[in-house]
Parts: sequence; structure tokens; C-alpha cells
Amino acid sequence: GAGVSQSPSNKVTEKGKDVELRCDPISGHTALYWYRQSLGQGLEFLIYFQGNSAPDKSGLPSDRFSAERTGGSVSTLTIQRTQQEDSAVYLCASSLPQRQDIEFFGPGTRLTVL
Amino acid sequence: RKEVEQDPGPFNVPEGATVAFNCTYSNSASQSFFWYRQDCRKEPKLLMSVYSSGNEDGRFTAQLNRASQYISLLIRDSKLSDSATYLCVVGSGGYQKVTFGTGTKLQVIP
Repeated sequence: GAGVSQSPSNKVTEKGKDVELRCDPISGHTALYWYRQSLGQGLEFLIYFQGNSAPDKSGLPSDRFSAERTGGSVSTLTIQRTQQEDSAVYLCASSLPQRQDIEFFGPGTRLTVL
Repeated sequence: RKEVEQDPGPFNVPEGATVAFNCTYSNSASQSFFWYRQDCRKEPKLLMSVYSSGNEDGRFTAQLNRASQYISLLIRDSKLSDSATYLCVVGSGGYQKVTFGTGTKLQVIP
């Protein structure tokens, strides 16, 4: 497909476990974003990539969260020692670099920490 | 004060009605403005950009008031399919950093 894809679509884990979420952006989109959305809440910015570098990591809630991007394409968001408050939908989005908006979101990964 | 504020609603309107949402932003240096639509348990989708001169796309009209720091979305002739949460988005950074409002829920009823 031509859209942003994310995997897994759903993830249930136990408190204290590590999880890895994957995002495949649209080909050629150098800008990549991670957001999270808790139930009934707005989108919370986590991190922004331009190519493989992350000029803005200001949204990562704690040092348990990290993200990387390789080859200017796939990105992974890793959450270590998950806590119940990490439960949310994690959304990835990508855009062409010249756009002011965030053009396309992926369907999200719904993370539930028991 | 939140960077972007919206009335959460819900706005319950009959089919065919006209409904308007406002959104206020706190950063006077904001440069880009958008409305997104989010259906229940789905990802947000870009609805339209908001330009200084205002812009219209079919039944949807968006306007920007820089002096009062708010943007608006007007929906005419509401359809059942317009039922969704409408997210106000404001960009302030030089690299597409945008802030999302928490959304206004619209329910169009038959």
C-alpha cells in the first residue's frame, strides 16, 4: 500500500516489559513523527525525525522512551520497563519536507500495559 | 494556558444545519494552521489548511483571525458523515512542529 503502516496494530504487555513499535513511512517522506494519544485526550508529540536525525526529542516523556530511524525510512519506538500510564495509541506520521502540515498518519499501535 | 484550546463539545446538530467551531492559540508567532478530522478509533486525517485570507472547500470554510488568535471551521449543510472529532492544529516551529488541540466532537443527528 501507499500509506504509512505501523506494526503491531495492537500490543498487550505486562508492566515492566519492553516493547518495540514499528513505523514504515511513505516512500520519499523524509519527515517522520511519533505522537501518542491517550483515551479521550489530544495528540501528544513525542519525537520528530528529518531523515535519520532527530532534531526534536523534546516530547519523549522519560528516558524509558527512545526512537531511531534507519535509512531515512523505517522507524522504531522503544519503550523500556513499560508502565500502565504508557497505555495509549501510538501514531506515526510522515510528510514531504517542504510541507507545513503533517500529511499522513498511520493507523496507530494500540498499546495496553497490564 | 494550553497552546491550543478547543471546546470539547459534543455539538449535536440536526442534518442540514450549519455549525461552527472555534479554536484559540497562545503563541502569537504561530505561522501555520490546519483542521484535521478524526473518526472514532481512527487516525487523524488532514481536512484543510487555514490561510490568512480564509479558504473554502465545498461545505467547509476555515478562517484565521491573527489579532484575536483564533481559527474557525464552519460546516454548512451538515451530513451524518460529518460526525467526527475535529482537531485544530497550529504550527510554530521552523520545521513543521505542530501542536494539536484536544478536538471538538460533532454529532450530526437525523
